[in-house]
Amino acid sequence: GAVVSQHPSWVICKSGTSVKIECRSLDFQATTMFWYRQFPKQSLMLMATSNEGSKATYEQGVEKDKFLINHASLTLSTLTVTSAHPEDSSFYICSAKSEGPRELFFGEGSRLTVL
Amino acid sequence: GENVEQHPSTLSVQEGDSAVIKCTYSDSASNYFPWYKQELGKGPQLIIDIRSNVGEKKDQRIAVTLNKTAKHFSLHITETQPEDSAVYFCAASIYTPLVFGKGTRLSVIA
Repeated sequence: GAVVSQHPSWVICKSGTSVKIECRSLDFQATTMFWYRQFPKQSLMLMATSNEGSKATYEQGVEKDKFLINHASLTLSTLTVTSAHPEDSSFYICSAKSEGPRELFFGEGSRLTVL
Repeated sequence: GENVEQHPSTLSVQEGDSAVIKCTYSDSASNYFPWYKQELGKGPQLIIDIRSNVGEKKDQRIAVTLNKTAKHFSLHITETQPEDSAVYFCAASIYTPLVFGKGTRLSVIA
């Protein structure tokens, strides 16, 4: 199946700093990528939809100025958590849509811990 | 919008027994229903999916059934093995993105 790679897989940062997470589709072009956040023992909550070459669409309650999403190419989307705070600590997962009929492939996730 | 309910939240079965996880959805227009398995610290992996023009789909020990009239779909795992222990999520959509259920933590006891 298609491969989606996320980097870094885990990151620890100090409060107030910014962290960038990359999501790459390794063997297919993804015009659309999705960013999810997952708190411990909870489900995946969609944060935003990222379309190549255009602005991301954010879900209600997600601060677009805090979670900057860039989808500059058909194989790369980035999520930057700006001025991170401890409550931003979570598991961030991206997914990418392949050319097939609505099948989504997920990355391995990035665990962010803000001290 | 779509709302997906998933039950049970936790499920323990003896190795070799069957496990069944059920989901209901609210939007009758939804036509794509995938199931994902998530192991600890990893991203979700698609294990099986079904589209609304099909009532049942099977892949070795895993099967999914869909009842469009009742708006529910189920995951069936037969001959469970310890490596089946994980969190399973159902999802539904008309188009992307997916709306996920809250997950079921399956424990297979050896």
